[in-house]
Amino acid sequence: ERLMTQSPATLSVSPGESATLSCRASESVSTFVAWYQLRPGQAPRLLIYDASNRATGVPARFSGSGSGTEFTLTIGSLQSEDIAVYYCQQYNNWPQTFGQGTKLEIK
Amino acid sequence: EVQLLESGGGLVQPGGSLRLSCVASGFAFSNNVMSWVRQAPGKGLEWVASISDGGDKAYYEASVKGRVTISRDNAQNTLYLQLTNVRADDTAIFYCAKTERTPRSSFYFDSWGQGALVTVSS
Repeated sequence: ERLMTQSPATLSVSPGESATLSCRASESVSTFVAWYQLRPGQAPRLLIYDASNRATGVPARFSGSGSGTEFTLTIGSLQSEDIAVYYCQQYNNWPQTFGQGTKLEIK
Repeated sequence: EVQLLESGGGLVQPGGSLRLSCVASGFAFSNNVMSWVRQAPGKGLEWVASISDGGDKAYYEASVKGRVTISRDNAQNTLYLQLTNVRADDTAIFYCAKTERTPRSSFYFDSWGQGALVTVSS
């Protein structure tokens, strides 16, 4: 089973600044990585698939990059609505597995 | 607009059973793989089970295999998850998710419901 390790566990960023969230796979997962946003009381939302493709309706300030074992989700110009927990997921290997999440806070 | 509405959650005693439902709208339900993903309190997301568009193939996470059955009724646009012999560590929010299946036969989840809370306790 591929382990996905996210860092940091908690990230505090000022409004208007950018946030960089990291996800590391225990072995290569090519570019088969998705990112999700979980806001309290709301349905989870797919942000990024195939490491760098934005899902439908996701603002351009969300971007994903990486391949192999190292992946990054960057959120530009942070807004209050971005307060959430973010999860990466690999789907290169069975079973698909998630990271443990990064909680994004606003300073 | 894709909508997924789960129901059937609640309090169940250890060893008991529960059936979750998810009614789908806004997309061609019968043409899509569907899945359940759960989140235990204070924990991350965990894939539980997926089912093919026609309902003839089911896939399960190892720890739930034998205790969980995923099924669907395409005429009613409804997905189900039957949980049996539940344990305390089954306590979680269970999310229904529209699923993208890759050529490698693995899955990611492009639309989600708001979830149904299952609490296992005596």
